[in-house]
Amino acid sequence: DGGITQSPKYLFRKEGQNVTLSCEQNLNHDAMYWYRQDPGQGLRLIYYSQIVNDFQKGDIAEGYSVSREKKESFPLTVTSAQKNPTAFYLCASSTNGANEQYFGPGTRLTVT
Amino acid sequence: AQTVTQSQPEMSVQEAETVTLSCTYDTSESDYYLFWYKQPPSRQMILVIRQEAYKQQNATENRFSVNFQKAAKSFSLKISDSQLGDAAMYFCAYRTYGQNFVFGPGTRLSVLP
Repeated sequence: DGGITQSPKYLFRKEGQNVTLSCEQNLNHDAMYWYRQDPGQGLRLIYYSQIVNDFQKGDIAEGYSVSREKKESFPLTVTSAQKNPTAFYLCASSTNGANEQYFGPGTRLTVT
Repeated sequence: AQTVTQSQPEMSVQEAETVTLSCTYDTSESDYYLFWYKQPPSRQMILVIRQEAYKQQNATENRFSVNFQKAAKSFSLKISDSQLGDAAMYFCAYRTYGQNFVFGPGTRLSVLP
């Protein structure tokens, strides 16, 4: 089955620790994205990558980092510098045209 | 910069009735795509329908259809014969070539039995 996987579904961390969220896709998409969603809110773009070994900051990149070493994988690290890391994180991928994005199931991160 | 506006934070509809969700957008581009995504309580984002701006015909997908008014920059979603499973957040989104997606703030739809 083609699709996007995110793991884990729920993640708990102590304040001050870095944590990495996984995102893998087997859709052969060039572009991948990370969004943050707070309760009752819309999607805010954290980082995106349109090609392997290249990525760009989105609207709320501070306190986050990414890598894109393989086409299939786009992990997101939430660093201790992120002031309010507790949120729902969605990964998505698409072709580089104007087609729709496909989303993973999301990871709920709780930092206490 | 492109923006997407959804002026209805919440809507409700009786089961089996029809409801229309509004979306307007701002762009200077002539060629672009518009989308409606559904996010049920599971929080999985699901594509409902898409519309290419160069197509005059409104897109339809079973009980879901759009009213695309390019000159007015309006892209509303009509859900016919509403079902309990239609209850979700609905996001309108815009994309043009070489640009990222722009999402609206969402409309929460409740379906009343």
